[in-house]
Amino acid sequence: AQSVTQLDSHVSVSEGTPVLLRCNYSSSYSPSLFWYVQHPNKGLQLLLKYTSAATLVKGINGFEAEFKKSETSFHLTKPSAHMSDAAEYFCVVSDLGSGYSTLTFGKGTMLLVSP
Amino acid sequence: ETGVTQSPTHLIKTRGQQVTLRCSSQSGHNTVSWYQQALGQGPQFIFQYYREEENGRGNFPPRFSGLQFPNYSSELNVNALELDDSALYLCASSMRDGYEQYFGPGTRLTVT
Repeated sequence: AQSVTQLDSHVSVSEGTPVLLRCNYSSSYSPSLFWYVQHPNKGLQLLLKYTSAATLVKGINGFEAEFKKSETSFHLTKPSAHMSDAAEYFCVVSDLGSGYSTLTFGKGTMLLVSP
Repeated sequence: ETGVTQSPTHLIKTRGQQVTLRCSSQSGHNTVSWYQQALGQGPQFIFQYYREEENGRGNFPPRFSGLQFPNYSSELNVNALELDDSALYLCASSMRDGYEQYFGPGTRLTVT
């Protein structure tokens, strides 16, 4: 069975400071990992994905994440936060071990950005 | 390229009623997955459809059922609605062997 743990329910940063959203995963198979973002009253937008290629993955809007197998982590970072980054972020694991691709979501981290 | 669309946007139903939610998949995608997102929680997998058949199911009771049509659009049906069914229902489309799923904006269901 696969699972995801997002270590912080809320993260507060000031505009222009770095962002770190932490995620640990568990998977019986070689996982694919994703970060999705959800703005208020909106659907989910894919930020970036890891699918067993380069361990440092670059996504949209300046976000990136590093896959660390030894630590079973996939933390999301951004060098400089912008007000528009305020949203909820979900770390997601997917595998095809069950014969079909299903996504397992973490509980989410709310990113708050202050001026 | 047309993205994933869902209808209706919002819906209010009474406990015990039945509801049907609709989803049109992204152009070129043949697989549709449905998720339930309760308030303050991450989405939970309900089921997936491929070639008009249920291809996998999460931990949801049989009163949650679905359909997929030849044009790959899909419906989610929920019978005997309960208060706890109040949630945002998300549809996602993908290719059969694709890891990436693209989400629609969701349908907000309120059960009173």
